[in-house]
Amino acid sequence: EPEVTQTPSHQVTQMGQEVILRCVPISNHLYFYWYRQILGQKVEFLVSFYNNEISEKSEIFDDQFSVERPDGSNFTLKIRSTKLEDSAMYFCASSEQGGGETQYFGPGTRLLVL
Amino acid sequence: QKEVEQNSGPLSVPEGAIASLNCTYSDRGSQSFFWYRQYSGKSPELIMFIYSNGDKEDGRFTAQLNKASQYVSLLIRDSQPSDSATYLCAAEMNRDDKIIFGKGTRLHILP
Repeated sequence: EPEVTQTPSHQVTQMGQEVILRCVPISNHLYFYWYRQILGQKVEFLVSFYNNEISEKSEIFDDQFSVERPDGSNFTLKIRSTKLEDSAMYFCASSEQGGGETQYFGPGTRLLVL
Repeated sequence: QKEVEQNSGPLSVPEGAIASLNCTYSDRGSQSFFWYRQYSGKSPELIMFIYSNGDKEDGRFTAQLNKASQYVSLLIRDSQPSDSATYLCAAEMNRDDKIIFGKGTRLHILP
């Protein structure tokens, strides 16, 4: 069964460093998403991406964040200058269509900022 | 602020009994609703989705939607210890691409 994959599974970084989280969405899916979950809290939407551009973003997704689809398979989330409060699980998701279609989640990247 | 509300639990249910999980949502324009299961330290795993008022059954799971009351529920029949997890209710908000999650209800099936 096709699935969303993410790398790395764990990332430890120093405050102020840049990190890039990588995702390979399900191959026939057109819509891609990033969510994050701070330990013990709810899953929060960050950004949605379609047709090589951001379709929606939350207030969390400020200028320190960017997304890119550098090739036909990868979808990346970059945090330019990490803060302690960026420590969380970051989930990539994808769906065939947008507008409320079912989203399938990857296994996540656990980011720890020291 | 568009919200999805769930009782955080824990909800303890004896093995073999029916577990009932509930959720309310604030955006009357929401059309699509989802139940995800999340084991500790893992990603959300889709259990069911529902778009229409009424019941939708899939194996041991039944999702129920009442748009007039803005209420979604998930019933798990013949509960198993492996059903012990956090159940996340989620709603698409007004045909946006994003879905909004509730905080989740921790379910504990007692052997």
